[in-house]
Amino acid sequence: QQQVKQSPQSLIVQKGGISIINCAYENTAFDYFPWYQQFPGKGPALLIAIRPDVSEKKEGRFTISFNKSAKQFSLHIMDSQPGDSATYFCAASWGNYGGSQGNLIFGKGTKLSVKP
Amino acid sequence: NAGVMQNPRHLVRRRGQEARLRCSPMKGHSHVYWYRQLPEEGLKFMVYLQKENIIDESGMPKERFSAEFPKEGPSILRIQQVVRGDSAAYFCASSPIMGQGDYFGPGTRLTVL
Repeated sequence: QQQVKQSPQSLIVQKGGISIINCAYENTAFDYFPWYQQFPGKGPALLIAIRPDVSEKKEGRFTISFNKSAKQFSLHIMDSQPGDSATYFCAASWGNYGGSQGNLIFGKGTKLSVKP
Repeated sequence: NAGVMQNPRHLVRRRGQEARLRCSPMKGHSHVYWYRQLPEEGLKFMVYLQKENIIDESGMPKERFSAEFPKEGPSILRIQQVVRGDSAAYFCASSPIMGQGDYFGPGTRLTVL
């Protein structure tokens, strides 16, 4: 119930294409769904995040789509660039509205390669 | 405003030695989270601390691992009698309020020989 399942494990996209990474969860108590970008040898950096009261959030070329009934959320990277090549992690947590929990449950990551 | 700082960035220890990892949160942040990342894996939560308090240590192994966040100074993750399986990248994150830590440090890569 605490897992977040992420797919695919790896993804190769041509420059200018759309990268799509999917995540699914079981715990309906989750109320915060961030995506992180990690370059080799670096710490994860928050990319974009969504709460379950909206179905979509867009920031520049990055969009999160959220389907509460299916318990799924996905990251779309439009006009993918070689500089986007990194590992992407979805995550989930609960209790961010004054609850006592706060630790993130991470997916296993998707290694994205954008070919020039 | 400096980000989350971790040191050392790389640490090599022999089996049986102690490893001490430090994390200085962002200025104004009083909540610290430690995560462990094994090769080709996602990050796994270990412990959540506030100043002088352990809030949640449900992800921490029961033996050999301990963490603290004193009133003054950085948060410390201590691993006693390290084994090869402790080799991993250890990340800390900090946040200004109770909740998830969105600001991650660069990590400490521990290698146990």
